[in-house]
Amino acid sequence: GDSVTQMEGPVTLSEEAFLTINCTYTATGYPSLFWYVQYPGEGLQLLLKATKADDKGSNKGFEATYRKETTSFHLEKGSVQVSDSAVYFCALGRGDGSARQLTFGSGTQLTVLP
Amino acid sequence: GAVVSQHPSRVICKSGTSVKIECRSLDFQATTMFWYRQFPKQSLMLMATSNEGSKATYEQGVEKDKFLINHASLTLSTLTVTSAHPEDSSFYICSASPPRGNTEAFFGQGTRLTVV
Repeated sequence: GDSVTQMEGPVTLSEEAFLTINCTYTATGYPSLFWYVQYPGEGLQLLLKATKADDKGSNKGFEATYRKETTSFHLEKGSVQVSDSAVYFCALGRGDGSARQLTFGSGTQLTVLP
Repeated sequence: GAVVSQHPSRVICKSGTSVKIECRSLDFQATTMFWYRQFPKQSLMLMATSNEGSKATYEQGVEKDKFLINHASLTLSTLTVTSAHPEDSSFYICSASPPRGNTEAFFGQGTRLTVV
């Protein structure tokens, strides 16, 4: 079945450091891929998504490229801020591009220090 | 974006009691909602799909009689953990999507359940 393997945390960085959170997946067919972020005390919010191979999702300085050859969707940001401190989830959506039913990675806690 | 509200955010209950968690779509109608559970340091696992006006669809290994789901209206789904035990302690979160055009899922804030 579908599965998502995500880099274990927690990750602690200094402000303006470069961020990479690794995510790889196993799935049949052509899944859509998502990154969600959860700020303390809040629900999950969609950060970015990609629906087909070689698509790049981007939002708020974060980027991730759908790499079918390596079955990966790594999250990157060139310069993190304290306000980026949150839990980040990589997720896979079943085939039709819908985010209605998702398979999640375990989440990565990011703490950015001033 | 659309808003999904989940209540309560935290609940502590005694073993043997039942706990109800509500998931509401505040500004859209949702014929389908999803319930997830997260164990510490693990993924969010899909528990069940809640369908308005019909029975929920449960994932393999999820006990239907333990986790009762009611989706009585287009804006409300409830998850009731019956006869709760300490092993039911977990983080429960729901999601919903507008019925047409939008492929994004909107999540509630989650409920931290602790059974003592």
